[in-house]
Amino acid sequence: GIQVEQSPPDLILQEGANSTLRCNFSDSVNNLQWFHQNPWGQLINLFYIPSGTKQNGRLSATTVATERYSLLYISSSQTTDSGVYFCAVDAALIFGKGTTLSVSS
Amino acid sequence: DAGVIQSPRHEVTEMGQEVTLRCKPISGHNSLFWYRQTMMRGLELLIYFNNNVPIDDSGMPEDRFSAKMPNASFSTLKIQPSEPRDSAVYFCASSPGPASEQYFGPGTRLTVT
Repeated sequence: GIQVEQSPPDLILQEGANSTLRCNFSDSVNNLQWFHQNPWGQLINLFYIPSGTKQNGRLSATTVATERYSLLYISSSQTTDSGVYFCAVDAALIFGKGTTLSVSS
Repeated sequence: DAGVIQSPRHEVTEMGQEVTLRCKPISGHNSLFWYRQTMMRGLELLIYFNNNVPIDDSGMPEDRFSAKMPNASFSTLKIQPSEPRDSAVYFCASSPGPASEQYFGPGTRLTVT
């Protein structure tokens, strides 16, 4: 099956810093999503991005499908950005292990 | 628009009891997915339906687990008999169709003692 690897596994930032999260996948996919799981456990959709670049406020994402990776950029991080960020691929989502982000004030 | 609705939000039961989790997908969505999240295994697909038909149940752990989708607006995941290792958060998700954006419900936290 498809393997999904996310890096880094953990990230600690000061408020206002920028960060880049990476997702590598082992085969071509027809679906890729980024989620934020907040401290209450809710999975929040960030991007549906099988290819190309999208932006939503301070967040943006780029997927290079031919090279089998996706990047999530967080700019000017805030404490509310803390949580786990998951990348998931394919029609029936295969999840990576996530990146745990902690933003301190 | 109401999102994906799951009930109950929390369930505590004793080993050997039957557990039924419920899900109402977003209206108009044709695909429904059940996932499980544990510390050890992360988020993993259990089963998914397209147009109420089970397409892939290879993630269902064993015969104690069963899922149904009797109509487009309702699905159940049943565990009988439950075991402590079934303790997890169970998520339901729906999407307009296969390989399109999935939206997750709030999850059901199951504890089996």
